Amino acid sequence: SAVISQKPSRDICQRGTSLTIQCQVDSQVTMMFWYRQQPGQSLTLIATANQGSEATYESGFVIDKFPISRPNLTFSTLTVSNMSPEDSSIYLCSAEGNGGPGGTQYFGPGTRLLVL
Amino acid sequence: SQQGEEDPQALSIQEGENATMNCSYKTSINNLQWYRQNSGRGLVHLILIRSNEREKHSGRLRVTLDTSKKSSSLLITASRAADTASYFCATAISGGYNKLIFGAGTRLAVHP
Repeated sequence: SAVISQKPSRDICQRGTSLTIQCQVDSQVTMMFWYRQQPGQSLTLIATANQGSEATYESGFVIDKFPISRPNLTFSTLTVSNMSPEDSSIYLCSAEGNGGPGGTQYFGPGTRLLVL
Repeated sequence: SQQGEEDPQALSIQEGENATMNCSYKTSINNLQWYRQNSGRGLVHLILIRSNEREKHSGRLRVTLDTSKKSSSLLITASRAADTASYFCATAISGGYNKLIFGAGTRLAVHP
């Protein structure tokens, strides 16, 4: 299995500002994933973060709004830029466990963001 | 966009009863994973079933997969109030480097 932590656990931000969310995995993983969960909704994949290359973004998400870093095999950050109230969501990161590709994906506890 | 649908959207049962949730998807998959989420908290992984498997068990949980119908079901037997949560299926798409696409989820309420 993989144990994933996120910081901060929650934050309240003013519109127009940016927030960087950190995700730490307790083991080396090839790919990490970032998801958004809007209030009362399911999870939507934002992007896939591969170490050593640029993140791959899903339709509807762009790098200028959600820049991602992946400096090593255990860590990634997601920045929510120029925030608006519509960005209020839970942001979750995930990674596959020791089973490697095609295995169980484990999730961090999430970062609950409220934008005023 | 979401890969598939889950039904029912909401389910309310009494303790001791069984709960069945269904998940349908649209494209070929490598595996399908079921998760539980309590009150907007993090996701807890329940079961992974691979595309060449038809059924898996874990404690009170039973998952089936029918790739010909592109559907899966999660059965919780002898439910408890602590099972109250949202349940999501997520599919790892073939050729999609294992990114997960989530269904809409089922909100389960188990009443004492």
